[in-house]
Amino acid sequence: GQQVMQIPQYQHVQEGEDFTTYCNSSTTLSNIQWYKQRPGGHPVFLIQLVKSGEVKKQKRLTFQFGEAKKNSSLHITATQTTDVGTYFCAGRWSNTGKLIFGQGTTLQVKP
Amino acid sequence: NAGVTQTPKFQVLKTGQSMTLQCAQDMNHEYMSWYRQDPGMGLRLIHYSVGAGITDQGEVPNGYNVSRSTTEDFPLRLLSAAPSQTSVYFCASRKSGTGGEKLFFGSGTQLSVL
Repeated sequence: GQQVMQIPQYQHVQEGEDFTTYCNSSTTLSNIQWYKQRPGGHPVFLIQLVKSGEVKKQKRLTFQFGEAKKNSSLHITATQTTDVGTYFCAGRWSNTGKLIFGQGTTLQVKP
Repeated sequence: NAGVTQTPKFQVLKTGQSMTLQCAQDMNHEYMSWYRQDPGMGLRLIHYSVGAGITDQGEVPNGYNVSRSTTEDFPLRLLSAAPSQTSVYFCASRKSGTGGEKLFFGSGTQLSVL
């Protein structure tokens, strides 16, 4: 079936190191969203990308949408302990309109 | 505004019991949905609704029922609980149409079925 694969599943970094999570879809997407879930919390919307090749920044976070609109990435520069949590991508299929979440990447940051 | 409110926060059931997870939103969102979150599997859509009186199945609908009698409320019913339904359940809502893509999630219900 239609899937959104997200890697890695877990990432441990030292505070100050960079972090990247990748999201790949089996089908072309009309848009992709990113959410952050703090430990014990609920997912919170971060951003939505719509255009092919789009790049958006939020402070230390950089989001990219691939040229083919089938993949995306989230990069965090100089991680901080406040970045701890699970990051989910969610892709909306062009053909069905359904929103499918990736499995998430859990980020741990050592102070 | 309270946003999306879910109750209860925690629930323990015995196999075969039934229960209803409540979800209410005060943002006048047309779209409401239920997800379950299991380790390593992300968020999977159970059922969704695009407006009062309209519901549809998501990826994993078996064992769950929903109804949408008002814009505000979207309860999820477990008909006969099974251990495989042990999970964290999230209700989420959003506006419909262009610009309404952002999902707002409730705080979740942690359900254990023994």
